[in-house]
Amino acid sequence: GAGVSQSPRYKVAKRGQDVALRCDPISGHVSLFWYQQALGQGPEFLTYFQNEAQLDKSGLPSDRFFAERPEGSVSTLKIQRTQQEDSAVYLCASSWDRDNQPQHFGDGTRLSIL
Amino acid sequence: SQKIEQNSEALNIQEGKTATLTCNYTNYSPAYLQWYRQDPGRGPVFLLLIRENEKEKRKERLKVTFDTTLKQSLFHITASQPADSATYLCATHTGTASKLTFGTGTRLQVTL
Repeated sequence: GAGVSQSPRYKVAKRGQDVALRCDPISGHVSLFWYQQALGQGPEFLTYFQNEAQLDKSGLPSDRFFAERPEGSVSTLKIQRTQQEDSAVYLCASSWDRDNQPQHFGDGTRLSIL
Repeated sequence: SQKIEQNSEALNIQEGKTATLTCNYTNYSPAYLQWYRQDPGRGPVFLLLIRENEKEKRKERLKVTFDTTLKQSLFHITASQPADSATYLCATHTGTASKLTFGTGTRLQVTL
């Protein structure tokens, strides 16, 4: 498809388990972003890649959160030893690496930690 | 720290009227301001971008203003339709391909 694709759409895990969320950006988009969206809130920035380089990870809430984009296309957000407060929608967005460009979002992964 | 405020209360208007949503920011001067639409269970969809040196931008029934003195953006939907019902998010960023800082969003409900 032409849009940003995220999988799975829904993920339920028990507290303490590790999870991996996948993002397939729009082909050719250099920039890739991960956001976390709590219910009733706007998305909050987690991390940013330019190609395979992770240029900003200032929004990652703890060292349990890890993201990678090894070949500059598909990205994975991993959360280790999940906690209940990790329950949220995780959104991925991509854009051209040029001025004045909007971000294109996927429909997110809804993560529920029991 | 950077802060963006949007009216968290839902805005209910009648079909055909103009909806006006407000976005206020504090503690910084963004280079760009964007508006996104988000439907339940979906990701945000880009609508309009306005630069700090632009006062107004239009696209079909949409209009955005950007007042850097007041630190405020207004988002207008003219001749509103029930299909315009959604949450509208204001977001700012400081430069090329940088992260977006979002407001909490305002839910718009257009009734017949």
